[in-house]
Amino acid sequence: DAGVTQSPTHLIKTRGQQVTLRCSPKSGHDTVSWYQQALGQGPQFIFQYYEEEERQRGNFPDRFSGHQFPNYSSELNVNALLLGDSALYLCASSRPGTSQLDTQYFGPGTRLTVL
Amino acid sequence: GESVGLHLPTLSVQEGDNSIINCAYSNSASDYFIWYKQESGKGPQFIIDIRSNMDKRQGQRVTVLLNKTVKHLSLQIAATQPGDSAVYFCAENIGGKTSYDKVIFGPGTSLSVIP
Repeated sequence: DAGVTQSPTHLIKTRGQQVTLRCSPKSGHDTVSWYQQALGQGPQFIFQYYEEEERQRGNFPDRFSGHQFPNYSSELNVNALLLGDSALYLCASSRPGTSQLDTQYFGPGTRLTVL
Repeated sequence: GESVGLHLPTLSVQEGDNSIINCAYSNSASDYFIWYKQESGKGPQFIIDIRSNMDKRQGQRVTVLLNKTVKHLSLQIAATQPGDSAVYFCAENIGGKTSYDKVIFGPGTSLSVIP
């Protein structure tokens, strides 16, 4: 059973460009959350997708957008890249239960470098 | 604003000793807390969680303690092993209908186990 997968593993872009990162959730999971982790810091919540809609959002500008597909996979798009967008982008999937809290599984991340 | 922070950024322990990693949180409305372990080059891995209606929960070699009065969370690792070397994050879930609507991570503590 594959866990959360992300692609690509590494990416180098220049300022002003746009980037798309991809995530496939763990089998049986329908909720996908995205996080940005700067070097030496904890992950910062970007947004969460469920039933193809953005359900919650952190303090990130509109340059950060996402999408969830019918098969529950998700994309994170970042427009007009800034040097400060350089980070590890983590995807996590979960299947929230009703009476029991499910654990959230993280993928290995995509390392984005903006030059 | 909302934040989760750690008292100690680094911790070195002798193999076989017990480790204690502390965490302070600021949002008294948080109802669910999670400890994650992150090894180099990997995404965070779930260790143990606790709901706000509990003050202690035990897992395999790990115990989480929650003190809501002083908004303090701790992770105890018994008989620390070299494989426990990693960065440990505490995190809290804020609001929402599910357990993962908005997870706020602390900055992390780096644990080094001395053989």
